[in-house]
Amino acid sequence: DSGVTQTPKHLITATGQRVTLRCSPRSGDLSVYWYQQSLDQGLQFLIQYYNGEERAKGNILERFSAQQFPDLHSELNLSSLELGDSALYFCASSVTGTPISYEQYFGPGTRLTVT
Amino acid sequence: QKEVEQDPGPLSVPEGAIVSLNCTYSNSAFQYFMWYRQYSRKGPELLMYTYSSGNKEDGRFTAQVDKSSKYISLFIRDSQPSDSATYLCAMSLNQAGTALIFGKGTTLSVSS
Repeated sequence: DSGVTQTPKHLITATGQRVTLRCSPRSGDLSVYWYQQSLDQGLQFLIQYYNGEERAKGNILERFSAQQFPDLHSELNLSSLELGDSALYFCASSVTGTPISYEQYFGPGTRLTVT
Repeated sequence: QKEVEQDPGPLSVPEGAIVSLNCTYSNSAFQYFMWYRQYSRKGPELLMYTYSSGNKEDGRFTAQVDKSSKYISLFIRDSQPSDSATYLCAMSLNQAGTALIFGKGTTLSVSS
């Protein structure tokens, strides 16, 4: 168990809908990272927050947004969902954030299915 | 050309075999090189990391980086069924505002 928690584990929703994925980092970790994993694209970095501030941005779609709250938990919001958004979404955390940490602890993931 | 290339496998070996997993990359500015292991239905976990070139050994695992060839390897000695997983290489520029770049992963199956 990495100490990173993610909810929900599974999410099934329809195209056009909006969902929110939640992540709680390990105790003491200030950085949160979001990743999308699909069979064809592999593990793709979406966005990083460090102590509430956005620090790095990857291939995150404009329909997706994230934030990190004062208690350091983070939420990833996905809107106007498309079939292609079906994937595993991982949250990871690390103690440091700048520069980006190589030692990231991953949560168990949220499996999103868009029908 | 993708930044990081990794043969997806699958790779099947008998217990006790030596396993070699590899990645190639195109960006010579990468400084940190990592191997993550991902069991089925789990998140990736850091196995080993190497800074710049050279070798690093941890038990049955050895990581090698050859920056001149832009090639990294992970060797697993005396492979065990519990090593059956997907192995992801990852690389970092070690600069603020940048991300870890992952390979697509190689699936390894070790049979007893």
